[in-house]
Amino acid sequence: EAQVTQNPRYLITVTGKKLTVTCSQNMNHEYMSWYRQDPGLGLRQIYYSMNVEVTDKGDVPEGYKVSRKEKRNFPLILESPSPNQTSLYFCASSSTSGRSYEQYFGPGTRLTVT
Amino acid sequence: KQEVTQIPAALSVPEGENLVLNCSFTDSAIYNLQWFRQDPGKGLTSLLLIQSSQREQTSGRLNASLDKSSGRSTLYIAASQPGDSATYLCAVRSVDSNYQLIWGAGTKLIIKP
Repeated sequence: EAQVTQNPRYLITVTGKKLTVTCSQNMNHEYMSWYRQDPGLGLRQIYYSMNVEVTDKGDVPEGYKVSRKEKRNFPLILESPSPNQTSLYFCASSSTSGRSYEQYFGPGTRLTVT
Repeated sequence: KQEVTQIPAALSVPEGENLVLNCSFTDSAIYNLQWFRQDPGKGLTSLLLIQSSQREQTSGRLNASLDKSSGRSTLYIAASQPGDSATYLCAVRSVDSNYQLIWGAGTKLIIKP
């Protein structure tokens, strides 16, 4: 089954404790991205990657890191989480070839930083 | 810079009614437009994707149209059901946005039994 998976689905942590949210897709997609969703602010893109070893900042990259060492994986790293990073996070992927460019989303990770 | 607007922000209708959700965008240079559904606290489910060369797409009781020249898309839901209650989001993939999606704020739909 074609899918985007994220882990963990729920995470409660404390300020300053480094964490990683994993994202993996099995569709051989070139493009992957991370979003955060907050009430009243909608979906905002954090980082995106056009292909392996190619990453770029989205609209709200501060406080986050990403890496793309393999095509299928695109982890989101919070080196020193802060309470303002409490949010619902989504990973997404799409192909950049052909004509579709349809974007597929993971189930989301709800992060709480205390 | 591309901007996407969804009207109304919220809509409550009785079960069985046909309804239309609106999405407008400011720059007609798009690759495609995608409609998503999101249940509270859950992920996003892709409903329909319309390529820039297409006028409409249909899936079951859903029909999405695209008028690129006027910068508008509509999502038509026929014979609404309580299970259709969710937030509906539209997103545009602009030619100049490097594959990024530009999002509307969503329409929160409540179908009353």
